[in-house]
Amino acid sequence: GQQVMQIPQYQHVQEGEDFTTYCNSSTTLSNIQWYKQRPGGHPVFLIQLVKSGEVKKQKRLTFQFGEAKKNSSLHITATQTTDVGTYFCAGPDSNYQLIWGAGTKLIIKP
Amino acid sequence: EAQVTQNPRYLITVTGKKLTVTCSQNMNHEYMSWYRQDPGLGLRQIYYSMNVEVTDKGDVPEGYKVSRKEKRNFPLILESPSPNQTSLYFCATRNLRTGDNQPQHFGDGTRLSIL
Repeated sequence: GQQVMQIPQYQHVQEGEDFTTYCNSSTTLSNIQWYKQRPGGHPVFLIQLVKSGEVKKQKRLTFQFGEAKKNSSLHITATQTTDVGTYFCAGPDSNYQLIWGAGTKLIIKP
Repeated sequence: EAQVTQNPRYLITVTGKKLTVTCSQNMNHEYMSWYRQDPGLGLRQIYYSMNVEVTDKGDVPEGYKVSRKEKRNFPLILESPSPNQTSLYFCATRNLRTGDNQPQHFGDGTRLSIL
């Protein structure tokens, strides 16, 4: 069945360093959504990308959707402690149900 | 305030003792869904509902039941819980009236431990 792979599973960074998570789908996606889950919290919608090659920015966060609409990335510039959490990508299957990546946990080194 | 409310937030119980996790939303959303979240596996869909009296299986429906008698409520039922159903459960909703790809809104989660 359709799969969404997300890497890495964890990323440890010093505060102020950059962070990137990558998402790859086994099939072409009509769109991709990104969510953030703070420790102990629930997933919260960040953004949706729809167009091939689309790039969107939210302050220090940059989201990209690949030309083939099968991959996506989230890049955070100069991480802060408030960025800690797990970032998920998710894309719809043929029944419009979201298939989720396993998530990338951002950990800030003390 | 727009809310998705799950109860209970935490539950420890024993194998075979029927339990229900409730989910209620005040956003008048047609779509509701249940997920389980396990380490390293992300979110896996259990069941979903596109409207009242309409439910469908997700990726991991075995051992679970749902019902959608009213638009605002979507309870998850474990008739005979087993230890492999120990997990973190999330209810989610989304608005279908404005398109198929609307973001999902999640409840705070229910942590179930089946001994």
